[in-house]
Amino acid sequence: QSALTQPASASGSPGQSVTISCTGSSSDVGGYNFVSWYQQHPGKAPKLMIYEVSKRPSGVPDRFSGSRSGNTASLTISGLQAEDEADYYCNAYAGSSNVIFGGGTKLTVL
Amino acid sequence: QMHLVESGGGVVQPGRSLRLSCAASGFTFRGYGIHWVRQAPGKGLEWVTFISYDGSHEYYADSVKGRFTVSRDDSKSTVFLQMNGLGAEDTAIYFCAKGFWEFCTGGSCYDGFDVWGHGTLVTVAS
Repeated sequence: QSALTQPASASGSPGQSVTISCTGSSSDVGGYNFVSWYQQHPGKAPKLMIYEVSKRPSGVPDRFSGSRSGNTASLTISGLQAEDEADYYCNAYAGSSNVIFGGGTKLTVL
Repeated sequence: QMHLVESGGGVVQPGRSLRLSCAASGFTFRGYGIHWVRQAPGKGLEWVTFISYDGSHEYYADSVKGRFTVSRDDSKSTVFLQMNGLGAEDTAIYFCAKGFWEFCTGGSCYDGFDVWGHGTLVTVAS
């Protein structure tokens, strides 16, 4: 199964908002409410930021929000901060006990 | 605090085997499924395998099916990943990750990996 499609890069200035998209199909992103987003700083393990399309685990700032429209999920970061600079990955359940990740988006805070 | 610690990585020749361990602490291990996710150098994340909270179900990515086997020992709060027939394409950092939902079933088992280990590097080279 192919990886979900994410833009390779995104950028924004401190205080601005940025949205990262994750496009799949009706068999994964659009088919189940099991879409998650992860933040990964260089040399570190990924960190769960969003689960079940739009829910935030405790401890994740409310500047991070998730949404979905059809077969595309989105992660929006508002009030960008320097520490938000990282790689971001989406993943989605694809049925038959399989899950696929997006290719990742490198976010630069200008 | 919940923790996962991987071990067992190293350099191995093509065709050989390696067993990774993932030791858990800080949560009720028996209640949660555990995933392995890998990341090749400079590349993105790839899901590898999942074992259910009670060990009754195991699922694998097509890329490792038939070569990798996941298991768990609840008495040691540890999950193992036995990797056989290793090839260069298996070179990666291997992370174990805890599933978000307790006693998960079906697709919910893949919804949110909320605790990750630091990873262990596996290098397959002659």
